[in-house]
Amino acid sequence: DTAVSQTPKYLVTQMGNDKSIKCEQNLGHDTMYWYKQDSKKFLKIMFSYNNKELIINETVPNRFSPKSPDKAHLNLHINSLELGDSAVYFCASSLGTGSSYEQYFGPGTRLTVT
Amino acid sequence: GNSVTQMEGPVTLSEEAFLTINCTYTATGYPSLFWYVQYPGEGLQLLLKATKADDKGSNKGFEATYRKETTSFHLEKGSVQVSDSAVYFCALSGGSGGSNYKLTFGKGTLLTVNP
Repeated sequence: DTAVSQTPKYLVTQMGNDKSIKCEQNLGHDTMYWYKQDSKKFLKIMFSYNNKELIINETVPNRFSPKSPDKAHLNLHINSLELGDSAVYFCASSLGTGSSYEQYFGPGTRLTVT
Repeated sequence: GNSVTQMEGPVTLSEEAFLTINCTYTATGYPSLFWYVQYPGEGLQLLLKATKADDKGSNKGFEATYRKETTSFHLEKGSVQVSDSAVYFCALSGGSGGSNYKLTFGKGTLLTVNP
């Protein structure tokens, strides 16, 4: 009965490759997010979707392309991977876009680019 | 825009010690305030929240009070346990200085509790 799940949990790949991370939530939430956590644990939002529409795009390089096929899924595709993309990527969801709504986080995907 | 400043770690305490992790914020209007916890190898979990001034959030023995006059939301626990060892993040959303639903996080504070 996992609320927010991500696959894969670990991803090791070489520079220049293209990879995808998948996220699914079974909470019936309308809003989903992608966050990046760097090696110093700093968390920064990348994207947010509400009802499959992009509502936040935080000046992320256009090598990163999110896709939301339906409200329960938000995938992240990364082209031409670079060393600096190594991080932990977290997916999250919330009931809606109100400021008081709690966000539920997935377990994270640790991406290592060599 | 919105920002959150929390005390730098790491913080190391003995079991049953008193914990305070300071958090102050910059935002206009009335943001909602949160503390999230990240246990080793896991995602973030909401620990507590407060959505208006003078609200006190509490959970698992942790407390934090939304102080608008000092723009603070300090996390406290009277007696920590080894199982409280984790990274703690202060965060806010809303207010009139940023997107209503975007969470802005502090840099996190690593807490280690020794037996």
